[in-house]
Amino acid sequence: GAVVSQHPSWVICKSGTSVKIECRSLDFQATTMFWYRQFPKQSLMLMATSNEGSKATYEQGVEKDKFLINHASLTLSTLTVTSAHPEDSSFYICSARNYRGRNYNEQFFGPGTRLTVL
Amino acid sequence: GNSVTQMEGPVTLSEEAFLTINCTYTATGYPSLFWYVQYPGEGLQLLLKATKADDKGSNKGFEATYRKETTSFHLEKGSVQVSDSAVYFCALKGSNNDMRFGAGTRLTVKP
Repeated sequence: GAVVSQHPSWVICKSGTSVKIECRSLDFQATTMFWYRQFPKQSLMLMATSNEGSKATYEQGVEKDKFLINHASLTLSTLTVTSAHPEDSSFYICSARNYRGRNYNEQFFGPGTRLTVL
Repeated sequence: GNSVTQMEGPVTLSEEAFLTINCTYTATGYPSLFWYVQYPGEGLQLLLKATKADDKGSNKGFEATYRKETTSFHLEKGSVQVSDSAVYFCALKGSNNDMRFGAGTRLTVKP
């Protein structure tokens, strides 16, 4: 099956610093990647949709200057949390959509990145 | 807009008990329906899916049938195991390809 990886799997940082999270599709090309945020014991909240080579589309209420998304290639998207604060602490999950092959148009999820801001 | 409502948890069962987690949806058009499972500290894994009315998705003993007349996609398993303990999410993908997730139901299976 298609595999999506995220790096790092967990990160602890000081308030005011920036953190970059990588999302990679390992064995397929993904024209579209999605970034979700999950609070403890809650569902996933879509933050933004990232298309390769173009600007990300952010969901209402998500600050684009706070959460910078870059999708420079068909296998890599990055989410940068700028000037992180404790309220940004969360579990961030990416998914990638396979645009060819047997699982065409299916989303595959990464294992998530736990961010803790002190 | 599209939305998913699933049974609130937590659900606690004994091993070999029967499991049902209810899921209903609201959508325009003809969505695809999914169940995802999330084990502690991990991301979501696709458990099963159905893409049209009356389809039955099945995997690892879990089943769910796409019922258009009742707009439901209830998850069932005849005999749960301790290893099934996880959070289960019902989800739909609409005609615009956006995914919408339910709130999740935490299942704990005790030996």
